[in-house]
Amino acid sequence: EADIYQTPRYLVIGTGKKITLECSQTMGHDKMYWYQQDPGMELHLIHYSYGVNSTEKGDLSSESTVSRIRTEHFPLTLESARPSHTSQYLCASSHDQGQGFWFGGNTIYFGEGSWLTVV
Amino acid sequence: AQTVTQSQPEMSVQEAETVTLSCTYDTSESDYYLFWYKQPPSRQMILVIRQEAYKQQNATENRFSVNFQKAAKSFSLKISDSQLGDAAMYFCAYRSYDSGGGADGLTFGKGTHLIIQP
Repeated sequence: EADIYQTPRYLVIGTGKKITLECSQTMGHDKMYWYQQDPGMELHLIHYSYGVNSTEKGDLSSESTVSRIRTEHFPLTLESARPSHTSQYLCASSHDQGQGFWFGGNTIYFGEGSWLTVV
Repeated sequence: AQTVTQSQPEMSVQEAETVTLSCTYDTSESDYYLFWYKQPPSRQMILVIRQEAYKQQNATENRFSVNFQKAAKSFSLKISDSQLGDAAMYFCAYRSYDSGGGADGLTFGKGTHLIIQP
């Protein structure tokens, strides 16, 4: 299993607050991802990164922003939280270049998730 | 674009019995990867098993095995000796071989909720 850590696991905040969800991985994976998942629903990719200083928007439009200043760190920020942002946010990573499939290459590993509730 | 279909929204099995979860997919690609992920009530997405499309041998991981039928585009998951801890949502996922071409190259099915009856 991959080592991907997300903090906080659970967060309840008021409308208008700025929040940052932290995500770190210790495997040196080049690609990292953020997914959003509402209860009972499928995952939607909202951001991804190929490596340091690379960030891209995913399939689902999101008001959040991300940064990738270090390989192991991929935080997600909401400048002004709203109740519509209430959801679970899953961070993930993968190593796609030069690593055999059976050594974990080309496999996306997920963190434990961060539950965000905006009241 | 690829699609992944899990036709069983919910399955129930007695503890210690065997259950098979179905997954079909549609793609025009010849090389790709297939995965089963498990999401228990804790909501973490846990990798269960994975398969490379060019390998004909079915993957196995302890009590979990797959039946990969490339021509039929089918990738079912068999869980033997079901345990209470197996209760979770199970997602089938397809990943393009050339995932570096854009985004994550990952397509999920809608999931199957597996219930284990004691």
